[in-house]
Amino acid sequence: GQNIDQPTEMTATEGAIVQINCTYQTSGFNGLFWYQQHAGEAPTFLSYNVLDGLEEKGRFSSFLSRSKGYSYLLLKELQMKDSASYLCAVRDTGGFKTIFGAGTRLFVKA
Amino acid sequence: DTAVSQTPKYLVTQMGNDKSIKCEQNLGHDTMYWYKQDSKKFLKIMFSYNNKELIINETVPNRFSPKSPDKAHLNLHINSLELGDSAVYFCASSHGTGTNEQFFGPGTRLTVL
Repeated sequence: GQNIDQPTEMTATEGAIVQINCTYQTSGFNGLFWYQQHAGEAPTFLSYNVLDGLEEKGRFSSFLSRSKGYSYLLLKELQMKDSASYLCAVRDTGGFKTIFGAGTRLFVKA
Repeated sequence: DTAVSQTPKYLVTQMGNDKSIKCEQNLGHDTMYWYKQDSKKFLKIMFSYNNKELIINETVPNRFSPKSPDKAHLNLHINSLELGDSAVYFCASSHGTGTNEQFFGPGTRLTVL
């Protein structure tokens, strides 16, 4: 079956670091994506991992371990505008289908 | 310029009606998608088109019929609307598949009364 798990909600303080975990079990794998979605808006792309390891992009980093079916998104120097849902998504082997997790709602407090 | 646009943004209608949502992308992408996001914020793939050909139909009822007149457009027609169809529908596009990110439209909030 296809399953992507991530925490429902997290709260963190402005200026801090937060790690959002994602575990997946899918029939195929052709990369893992992280998207950010603010309330009432469309998801926007944050990062992509297809090989094991860490990808860094400014304040955001994403890590992948394919053998463990595990990824995390690391957000540094949190800002209030980072309050949003973060969606973990796995693309299947054929490439045309992306399976999304339910998302993690992050609340950043002052 | 808007990369992926959808119309209408809001759609309120009665049960049993037929409605359409339009999607256009000006990114030159060859793959387009329809997603449904329900009240629990779960984003689920419905259809995927590549070069106007249907690639994925994710066990969506026959009442939903996508149509891609050209690579830049993917419209969604829904017949006999039901209460459970109430959701936000997102159109998206990408350049091919694999490593390429998807660009999402602003969404259409459908409310069936």
